[in-house]
Amino acid sequence: QSVLTQPPSVSAAPGQKVTISCSGNPSNIGHNYVSWYQQLPGTAPKLLIYETDRRPSGIPDRFSGSKSGTSATLGITGLQTGDEADYYCGTWDTLSALAVFGGGTKLTVL
Amino acid sequence: QVLLQESGPGLVKPSGTLSLTCAVSGASISSSKWWNWVRQSPGKGLEWIGEFYHIGTTNSNPSLKSRVTFSVDRSKNLFSLNLKSVTAADTAVYYCASALTSVALAPSFEYWGQGTLVTVSS
Repeated sequence: QSVLTQPPSVSAAPGQKVTISCSGNPSNIGHNYVSWYQQLPGTAPKLLIYETDRRPSGIPDRFSGSKSGTSATLGITGLQTGDEADYYCGTWDTLSALAVFGGGTKLTVL
Repeated sequence: QVLLQESGPGLVKPSGTLSLTCAVSGASISSSKWWNWVRQSPGKGLEWIGEFYHIGTTNSNPSLKSRVTFSVDRSKNLFSLNLKSVTAADTAVYYCASALTSVALAPSFEYWGQGTLVTVSS
């Protein structure tokens, strides 16, 4: 059981937009930065978003992050088949004093 | 570009000690980066193990803290993880990862190793 709650799966057609939610509580998302990771099959996670809404160098602006209260959202526009992957959110939990992740969301580009 | 490479035994016996190293290239282990270990059980999500800063500062997952130790070899630019008293529940792919700052301030694992599968079995 993950501390952060993500939908198990989402899907959309190529070229469309999709959002992935990440729900937490005041001691984690409500109080701290959120990061997002993309994990392609058989590979290590890759940082997509850090400090809630910032993109590392090399990450296209099709990827965006936001937060409201105790929930965060990853948005992906202009979907490509290469975006099919598992996506994880992560943050710090101040109460438990540990970094926590969501259970992951599998994105299918139909 | 920072490159990380994990290495260590792929099989550890129950009650034994899991020992992994992470070789770093493209950055000094003594730089301002923080060095982390994250694991992923087969078919499961990500679990943070802990972080290490080169001056000796560490933070660990409270559920693993009593079994985890970190170390660094500056001459070889690598850092290590030791996890003692392992059980089958410790079977996972173990990743080393770098971060720009402590995860307690802004958890963002910027560079990851390719991961190494460690199986705990007799």
